[in-house]
Amino acid sequence: DTAVSQTPKYLVTQMGNDKSIKCEQNLGHDTMYWYKQDSKKFLKIMFSYNNKELIINETVPNRFSPKSPDKAHLNLHINSLELGDSAVYFCASSQGPIYFKNIQYFGAGTRLSVL
Amino acid sequence: SQQGEEDPQALSIQEGENATMNCSYKTSINNLQWYRQNSGRGLVHLILIRSNEREKHSGRLRVTLDTSKKSSSLLITASRAADTASYFCATSGQGGSEKLVFGKGTKLTVNP
Repeated sequence: DTAVSQTPKYLVTQMGNDKSIKCEQNLGHDTMYWYKQDSKKFLKIMFSYNNKELIINETVPNRFSPKSPDKAHLNLHINSLELGDSAVYFCASSQGPIYFKNIQYFGAGTRLSVL
Repeated sequence: SQQGEEDPQALSIQEGENATMNCSYKTSINNLQWYRQNSGRGLVHLILIRSNEREKHSGRLRVTLDTSKKSSSLLITASRAADTASYFCATSGQGGSEKLVFGKGTKLTVNP
């Protein structure tokens, strides 16, 4: 069983479209994250939820909206996609948000290409 | 920027050799973690070292932490072709924030 699964694996779309990426974890973790990895492999946190509550919200355009219907799911919706949004988006989870519980388990990534 | 820096950016060695990667960071931390990323895959946690620890071992991995120099190193002994991957350090607690801040990574190639 995959611990952290995200769908789709690949997403190719036109500029201006709206798209969603879904993430689910079956580890019983309280905290989930979205990261963006650019073409230079730089990995940057975007959002984090703990028990469905937003706890980290980095400087991300408000076209990006995360939603956590329950603590096992964290979805990412992106409006009005731009070329610069092309990247690999990773979902991750950890037992908790604080430092002694934050070993993170990553999904396989969603490669988003905006044309 | 709180971002860590790995050094070197890329490393190519022969199977059986040891590989050493370094990580530097900017402010005090609670812990430092190392992750591996195989091409086209997600990151996998390797080892965590707390700020009050100086060295930790896990199988062929040895991690050191020098908080006075704000640096860490990851040593992979007797490397194998399967160790080919990118390796990232990540720090927690920089600037009082609990979020993990990842470095830029070292791309390791182990030639058979």
